[in-house]
Amino acid sequence: KAGVTQTPRYLIKTRGQQVTLSCSPISGHRSVSWYQQTPGQGLQFLFEYFSETQRNKGNFPGRFSGRQFSNSRSEMNVSTLELGDSALYLCASSLAGQVSDTQYFGPGTRLTVL
Amino acid sequence: AQKITQTQPGMFVQEKEAVTLDCTYDTSDPSYGLFWYKQPSSGEMIFLIYQGSYDQQNATEGRYSLNFQKARKSANLVISASQLGDSAMYFCAMSPNSGGYQKVTFGTGTKLQVIP
Repeated sequence: KAGVTQTPRYLIKTRGQQVTLSCSPISGHRSVSWYQQTPGQGLQFLFEYFSETQRNKGNFPGRFSGRQFSNSRSEMNVSTLELGDSALYLCASSLAGQVSDTQYFGPGTRLTVL
Repeated sequence: AQKITQTQPGMFVQEKEAVTLDCTYDTSDPSYGLFWYKQPSSGEMIFLIYQGSYDQQNATEGRYSLNFQKARKSANLVISASQLGDSAMYFCAMSPNSGGYQKVTFGTGTKLQVIP
């Protein structure tokens, strides 16, 4: 069974640009969550999608948005990039997004904002 | 508010020895889950073990076991027979059972290095 895949793996952007990250969950998983990991703030929950609907959202500005498609693939978009957006962005999938469901993480996209 | 504390920023262990990584938590939720993840230098978070707050027995998964002491609010990870491939960052996390992963909180992590 294929794991969670994320593309691209590395990305370099400049301030003010926007970026779109992609995540393909494990087949059959309907919940996709996104996390931001930085040395200063650690791992923080961004949002969760289930059946094409954003079900939960973390404490991030509106520049961070996402969507989920009918095949459960998800994209995350960050507009008007800031230096502080440099981070490892991790996507995780689970069957239904219940806490007792195991979350499987992808390898992450490392975003550098110059 | 909930909080996870991992007091060991870094640890060394000899290959084939057992090691315990500490995790304490604080929450007002009566029902919650506790998790441990491993993050190698490649970046991917790998799920290791889960413990539900109402589970009577400590969780075990192969060489990993979770020493759950509810009254002390601790959920230490024990790795038996350490291997060189166990060198990585280890994160403890928790989430209340209500609300999905929105309220998940991660600790700051412990960097484990296994010495040959």
